[in-house]
Amino acid sequence: KAGVTQTPRYLIKTRGQQVTLSCSPISGHRSVSWYQQTPGQGLQFLFEYFSETQRNKGNFPGRFSGRQFSNSRSEMNVSTLELGDSALYLCASSSDWAANEQFFGPGTRLTVL
Amino acid sequence: QKEVEQDPGPLSVPEGAIVSLNCTYSNSAFQYFMWYRQYSRKGPELLMYTYSSGNKEDGRFTAQVDKSSKYISLFIRDSQPSDSATYLCAMNKQGGSEKLVFGKGTKLTVNP
Repeated sequence: KAGVTQTPRYLIKTRGQQVTLSCSPISGHRSVSWYQQTPGQGLQFLFEYFSETQRNKGNFPGRFSGRQFSNSRSEMNVSTLELGDSALYLCASSSDWAANEQFFGPGTRLTVL
Repeated sequence: QKEVEQDPGPLSVPEGAIVSLNCTYSNSAFQYFMWYRQYSRKGPELLMYTYSSGNKEDGRFTAQVDKSSKYISLFIRDSQPSDSATYLCAMNKQGGSEKLVFGKGTKLTVNP
């Protein structure tokens, strides 16, 4: 069974631009969560989608948004990028019957210049 | 005070040593506790998952939860160079897909 995939793996943007990251969950998983990982703050929860609906949201500004499609694939968008948005963005998926077992993708490394 | 505190290390041990990794937390509502392993340039991988207090063993790994002290531990027996990674504790209140709160991770190096 293929794992969680994320594209692109690396991204370089400049301040003020916007970016879209993509995540394909494990086949059959309907829950997709997004996390931001930085050396200073560690792993922080952004939001979680289930069946195309945002079910949970972390404490991030509105510049961070996401969506989920009918095939459970998810995208997150960051608008008006700031230097502090440089981070590893991780996506995790889980099944309905083992929702606490989250399987992570390799992440997208975003650098904002 | 952060909800979850974890000593970042780094921790360096010889091959075959017993490794002890720990996290403390402040929110007594946390009931579900996890340990993840993250290799360089990879996403975290779930190692151990426990509910409430007690011990859980899986091969060379043992997870302990002491809710009265708000303290969780991961022990690695007979450590191997392949165990070299960053270990993250994580926890949540209700289980399910409720957001996980992570520690910042402890970087472990096992020297051959």
